[in-house]
Amino acid sequence: EAGVAQSPRYKIIEKRQSVAFWCNPISGHATLYWYQQILGQGPKLLIQFQNNGVVDDSQLPKDRFSAERLKGVDSTLKIQPAKLEDSAVYLCASSPGLYSNQPQHFGDGTRLSIL
Amino acid sequence: AQSVAQPEDQVNVAEGNPLTVKCTYSVSGNPYLFWYVQYPNRGLQFLLKYITGDNLVKGSYGFEAEFNKSQTSFHLKKPSALVSDSALYFCAVRANSNSGYALNFGKGTSLLVTP
Repeated sequence: EAGVAQSPRYKIIEKRQSVAFWCNPISGHATLYWYQQILGQGPKLLIQFQNNGVVDDSQLPKDRFSAERLKGVDSTLKIQPAKLEDSAVYLCASSPGLYSNQPQHFGDGTRLSIL
Repeated sequence: AQSVAQPEDQVNVAEGNPLTVKCTYSVSGNPYLFWYVQYPNRGLQFLLKYITGDNLVKGSYGFEAEFNKSQTSFHLKKPSALVSDSALYFCAVRANSNSGYALNFGKGTSLLVTP
């Protein structure tokens, strides 16, 4: 089966610019996660979707970050405006369902550098 | 809150020797624990999980982990290390919530296997 697809792989922007990341989960996976991985740290959950609904966005900096999964399949994460501290790898993961015992599958991530 | 700690930033081991990467956990209720590996510029790959059952869990690529409830530990082990095992290893615990099963990760341990 195809894995979790993410694009772009790398992005360099200047602070205060906007940027968007795209994720296509494994086919049939209802739950989609966006994680932020800052250099030297473990991934931190930003937002979690079940189909097209948000189930947890408590750690998403909503003044600058937004995410959507309109049709319950692929998802977009946006940052506007970007800050230097947003430099990180943004990982998308998916799993079959909200309470599935199956492990989450991760994409290769988007590495964001803010100048 | 459900959390894990990885006390070692880096573990060095010679090829052919056994390796251990340490993880301790702090949870309320039953722990659901995971190990993931991350190679450079790649996403996280699932190695193994402990949900319930045998304390010794076998996973991918010859890795195993020992769940120890009295010591609240879930150490990752391999009897004979390979140079190709050199990577970043993350321990994670399922975050119990009403919103599903996102993961809380440790900060990661860099494993270096030398020839």
